[in-house]
Amino acid sequence: DIQMTQSPSTLSTSVGDRVTITCRASQSISSWLAWYQQKPGKAPKLLIYKASELESGVPSRFSGGGSGTEFTLIISSLQPDDFATYYCQQYDSYPITFGQGTRLEIK
Amino acid sequence: QVQLVESGGGVVQPGRSLRLSCAASGFIFRSYAMHWIRQAPGKGLEWVAVISDDGSTKYYGNSVKGRFTISRDNSKNTLYLQMNGLRAEDTAVYFCAKCPGWPDRFNYWGQGTLVTVSS
Repeated sequence: DIQMTQSPSTLSTSVGDRVTITCRASQSISSWLAWYQQKPGKAPKLLIYKASELESGVPSRFSGGGSGTEFTLIISSLQPDDFATYYCQQYDSYPITFGQGTRLEIK
Repeated sequence: QVQLVESGGGVVQPGRSLRLSCAASGFIFRSYAMHWIRQAPGKGLEWVAVISDDGSTKYYGNSVKGRFTISRDNSKNTLYLQMNGLRAEDTAVYFCAKCPGWPDRFNYWGQGTLVTVSS
């Protein structure tokens, strides 16, 4: 199974900050990586797919990059609505696996 | 618009069974693979199972293999998850989700249904 490791687990941030979340795969997954945002009590929301493709309707302050085993999610200027938990997911092969999540909290 | 509505969750004793359903609408259900994903309270996301568009291919996560069975009825636009031999660690919100490809990202999710395994 492909292991996905996110860092950091928690990030204390402020509105307006530039935020970078990292996701590492235990083996190469090419660009088959997605990022999700989840708020308490809600289903995850797809933000980025194929490592860098922005899902329709997602604000352009979100961007993704990387390939192989190292990936990043960047929020260019954090907004109040962005305080949530973020997950990466690999879809290179089954079983599909997720990172453990990164929680953004208000500093 | 795409809608996925899960049902069938509840409180069940360890060792018992439960069947979850996911009613789909707003897209051609028989053309897409469907997944179950779960989330234990306060924990991260765990992929559970996938079924191909025609039901012929199924894969399972290691923690549920041999106990859970995914199925679908394309005439009813409904996805199922039969859960047998439930354990306390199966307690979670169960989401159904749609993918555009095989395998792929999850572009649509249901709201989830809570399964609690407790005596």
